Amino acid sequence: AQSVTQLGSHVSVSEGALVLLRCNYSSSVPPYLFWYVQYPNQGLQLLLKYTSAATLVKGINGFEAEFKKSETSFHLTKPSAHMSDAAEYFCAVSEEGTYKYIFGTGTRLKVLA
Amino acid sequence: KAGVTQTPRYLIKTRGQQVTLSCSPISGHRSVSWYQQTPGQGLQFLFEYFSETQRNKGNFPGRFSGRQFSNSRSEMNVSTLELGDSALYLCASSQGSYNQETQYFGPGTRLLVL
Repeated sequence: AQSVTQLGSHVSVSEGALVLLRCNYSSSVPPYLFWYVQYPNQGLQLLLKYTSAATLVKGINGFEAEFKKSETSFHLTKPSAHMSDAAEYFCAVSEEGTYKYIFGTGTRLKVLA
Repeated sequence: KAGVTQTPRYLIKTRGQQVTLSCSPISGHRSVSWYQQTPGQGLQFLFEYFSETQRNKGNFPGRFSGRQFSNSRSEMNVSTLELGDSALYLCASSQGSYNQETQYFGPGTRLLVL
């Protein structure tokens, strides 16, 4: 069975500092991996996705993630945090051939001025 | 293109009642999935519809049901509401071919069961 683990339910960074949000997955088959962001009282917005092409995936708003099969990880990074990045971030995994996404428990990012 | 729309945005019901939520996918999208989001359980997959047929189902009781119409709009119904059904219900749409596509989420319907 597939699963996703997000380490750290809350992460705080200073404005301008590196953002690193961790995601580890478990899958018996090559996975599709996603990062979504959720702002208060809104739905989910896709940041980026990995679908077995390039292992370094660039997304919107300056975010990127690297797929590391050996570490079963798909961590999300951004070189310089902005106040507008404060939100909750979800990592998700799905198998090829299904839209059934398995989500992690989310990481709430706080950006300090 | 307009995004995924969900109605109503907020709903208050009492235990034992039933509720119907609606989702209109992005124009041209034929697949609609539903998710439940709660603080305790997080985001959980309910079911997916494609061309008016349920194609995948999560682990929810039979009180949760859905359907899809010929225009791809979808509804989900929860009967005999319980307090634990209070949640944000999200729907997502996609073209439906599973070919490395993205699901696009709506803003959700927040259901409060009293």
